[in-house]
Amino acid sequence: GAVVSQHPSWVICKSGTSVKIECRSLDFQATTMFWYRQFPKQSLMLMATSNEGSKATYEQGVEKDKFLINHASLTLSTLTVTSAHPEDSSFYICSALRPRTRFGETQYFGPGTRLLVL
Amino acid sequence: AQKVTQAQTEISVVEKEDVTLDCVYETRDTTYYLFWYKQPPSGELVFLIRRNSFDEQNEISGRYSWNFQKSTSSFNFTITASQVVDSAVYFCALRTSYDKVIFGPGTSLSVIP
Repeated sequence: GAVVSQHPSWVICKSGTSVKIECRSLDFQATTMFWYRQFPKQSLMLMATSNEGSKATYEQGVEKDKFLINHASLTLSTLTVTSAHPEDSSFYICSALRPRTRFGETQYFGPGTRLLVL
Repeated sequence: AQKVTQAQTEISVVEKEDVTLDCVYETRDTTYYLFWYKQPPSGELVFLIRRNSFDEQNEISGRYSWNFQKSTSSFNFTITASQVVDSAVYFCALRTSYDKVIFGPGTSLSVIP
């Protein structure tokens, strides 16, 4: 079964509003989570690395003030798209890094959230 | 620099044909992981395989097989006797020492009945 969930699975909002997307690890604690963005017919692009209890690390070209990331607990990271505009419409995918086991670290991806800004 | 290249943007095959998806990667790390993911139209990534840099053994899982060659920095994926359900976008990915996963541009596979 799914080990990483995202909520909501899709959202439609008006331009200028803020949208919060949640990413949860369901049966493990994840000190590190990642946020990706995927535009239609393109690949997944890493936006930021979210570390529990500390500030997120953003990739070059990603606006920190626009994409707010909060990793407040070991099972929850949130991505808030502030003042969303139509160009922010995309598929947002999170992933959670499961700590080391005897099989090594494993990264699990969530099902994604489709955002449409009108 | 870390990079993943999938030279084939789109591939179409007739059902039951074999198809190979190419993946070439670049990294300076000596320890790294390579992955293949399938992304059907629903969008949810489906994990197919993970390989670490020290394990060059090829792997077969049902109709799927993978050929990892460090000498050419390639990690190719072959589907034998393709089926319509195999139609999807396939991503090759590289995980670096900083745990970031870098995705290739993807190959869109269409299997025609």
